[in-house]
Amino acid sequence: SQKIEQNSEALNIQEGKTATLTCNYTNYSPAYLQWYRQDPGRGPVFLLLIRENEKEKRKERLKVTFDTTLKQSLFHITASQPADSATYLCALDPFGNEKLTFGTGTRLTIIP
Amino acid sequence: DTEVTQTPKHLVMGMTNKKSLKCEQHMGHRAMYWYKQKAKKPPELMFVYSYEKLSINESVPSRFSPECPNSSLLNLHLHALQPEDSALYLCASSQGQADSYEQYFGPGTRLTVT
Repeated sequence: SQKIEQNSEALNIQEGKTATLTCNYTNYSPAYLQWYRQDPGRGPVFLLLIRENEKEKRKERLKVTFDTTLKQSLFHITASQPADSATYLCALDPFGNEKLTFGTGTRLTIIP
Repeated sequence: DTEVTQTPKHLVMGMTNKKSLKCEQHMGHRAMYWYKQKAKKPPELMFVYSYEKLSINESVPSRFSPECPNSSLLNLHLHALQPEDSALYLCASSQGQADSYEQYFGPGTRLTVT
């Protein structure tokens, strides 16, 4: 069956450190992968999109890598802040038909 | 304007009621979506509209009926729901083009079925 798994359900990181979140998928060959942030009771907010021919993408303190051989994406937040505390979701459109499938999510807590 | 709006924010309805959820975007996006999200779970796709036509229905029960009156509006009509349908219902939109697949989500409608 098709799966998108985010390895940690919850992750606690000390403020100032780098948080690294993992997204693994099976049975897909997606053209791109997306990362979203979701705060409690709110809709997800788009953060980054990385394409299959891109190894790495950056936006301010955020960095995403995409290894299509390992079928894995890593999401990094450097110099983490308490305001970065949220649930982070990876998402794939496995068949390129706009049917976005979300990973299980990682609830990140940055400890002051 | 990069905002997707949803009304109402909260809705409580009985199993015999008929209600509607509304979603609006003014970004000129051609694709609009409905998702259902249960607590501590990721959003699950329900419907996709592309150019105002229903393109994907993820085998959603007929008690949920989507409607796209125009390119800016998306409705979800609810009838004879079950308590297990209680969830956060999210609307999203996207340009749906090769360079712009990111989706913009609304704040959601928190639905409680009693």
